[in-house]
Amino acid sequence: AQKITQTQPGMFVQEKEAVTLDCTYDTSDQSYGLFWYKQPSSGEMIFLIYQGSYDEQNATEGRYSLNFQKARKSANLVISASQLGDSAMYFCAMRVRNSGNTPLVFGKGTRLSVIA
Amino acid sequence: DTEVTQTPKHLVMGMTNKKSLKCEQHMGHRAMYWYKQKAKKPPELMFVYSYEKLSINESVPSRFSPECPNSSLLNLHLHALQPEDSALYLCASSQELYPGTVNTEAFFGQGTRLTVV
Repeated sequence: AQKITQTQPGMFVQEKEAVTLDCTYDTSDQSYGLFWYKQPSSGEMIFLIYQGSYDEQNATEGRYSLNFQKARKSANLVISASQLGDSAMYFCAMRVRNSGNTPLVFGKGTRLSVIA
Repeated sequence: DTEVTQTPKHLVMGMTNKKSLKCEQHMGHRAMYWYKQKAKKPPELMFVYSYEKLSINESVPSRFSPECPNSSLLNLHLHALQPEDSALYLCASSQELYPGTVNTEAFFGQGTRLTVV
């Protein structure tokens, strides 16, 4: 079975600074996908970035980048130039290849607070 | 249209009531999901529908009954709920190009905040 670990319950960052949110995962499968989602207080889960297990380059999407270290089984999210609107819960999630459906499995999340 | 729409946004129900949560997407996604999220916890998978067939039921109590009338709609029928069932219920959908797809993101609705009194 797969497992996602986020060890930072809460993080603070100054506006305009960069911040790294940690995520480690555990799976014995070779084919998997790693995802980061943002959840503001409104409740909606917003997809941010995806990294495939066979991707050799780290994924980037605007101010978001994923620091993928396969050997260490880590997939940390880096947010550059933090904005007040980045304050939210951030979840790391995984999908693992099997013969049927592969729903997302989530870590416990990290609450990010951006300070002006 | 990259939206998943959930109704209602808020619901208060008594333990003897019957109510339904609705979810709709028009992205042509053939996998749809129900997740339950308690405060300050991650979403927990309840059900998965693939091509309108129930493919995963995560040992959810029978007082929750899912239904997928067509490829765009997903319902969750609620009956005789308990106060501990109060939570945010999230619907999601994803494009499944083949069985075991891992590289497509799930799109989520804004959720229904359910309170059982």
